[in-house]
Amino acid sequence: GIQVEQSPPDLILQEGANSTLRCNFSDSVNNLQWFHQNPWGQLINLFYIPSGTKQNGRLSATTVATERYSLLYISSSQTTDSGVYFCAVGGGSQGNLIFGKGTKLSVKP
Amino acid sequence: DGGITQSPKYLFRKEGQNVTLSCEQNLNHDAMYWYRQDPGQGLRLIYYSQIVNDFQKGDIAEGYSVSREKKESFPLTVTSAQKNPTAFYLCASIRTGPLRTEAFFGQGTRLTVV
Repeated sequence: GIQVEQSPPDLILQEGANSTLRCNFSDSVNNLQWFHQNPWGQLINLFYIPSGTKQNGRLSATTVATERYSLLYISSSQTTDSGVYFCAVGGGSQGNLIFGKGTKLSVKP
Repeated sequence: DGGITQSPKYLFRKEGQNVTLSCEQNLNHDAMYWYRQDPGQGLRLIYYSQIVNDFQKGDIAEGYSVSREKKESFPLTVTSAQKNPTAFYLCASIRTGPLRTEAFFGQGTRLTVV
């Protein structure tokens, strides 16, 4: 099946810093989503981005489908950005999303 | 507002009990999924249903059961056969289209065995 690898596993930033999170996947996919899991556990949709580049405020994402990776950029980080960021891809035989193990981000004031 | 509602938010189970987690959606999506998350881990697929009255096992279905009698509802029962049920459970529905497959999640249910 498709493998999804995220890096780094942990990231500690000072407030105001920028960061890049990476997601590599092992096969062609028909869907790629980035989620933020908040401290209460809820998964918040950040981007639906099977290819190309999108921006939403301080966050942006780029997926290069031919090279099988996606990047999530966080600029001017804030303490509220803390949490776990998941990359998930579609294309599994069950029609479901396959998740990476996440990047745990801690933003210090 | 359209969305996915899971209840309860917290659930405590005694040894040997069956418990049922509720998942309701009003997004008119055909496909619904149950995932399990353990601390520090990603999400693993338990069961899924792509149409009413039909469902399939995911990667870790043992000790769980589901039903899909209505499009809006996909309850998950954690049976006494599940030996390590303490975890965070997330329900999702997936919007499918000719060029788009996008998932939306509920708030989750945290189950603890006492």
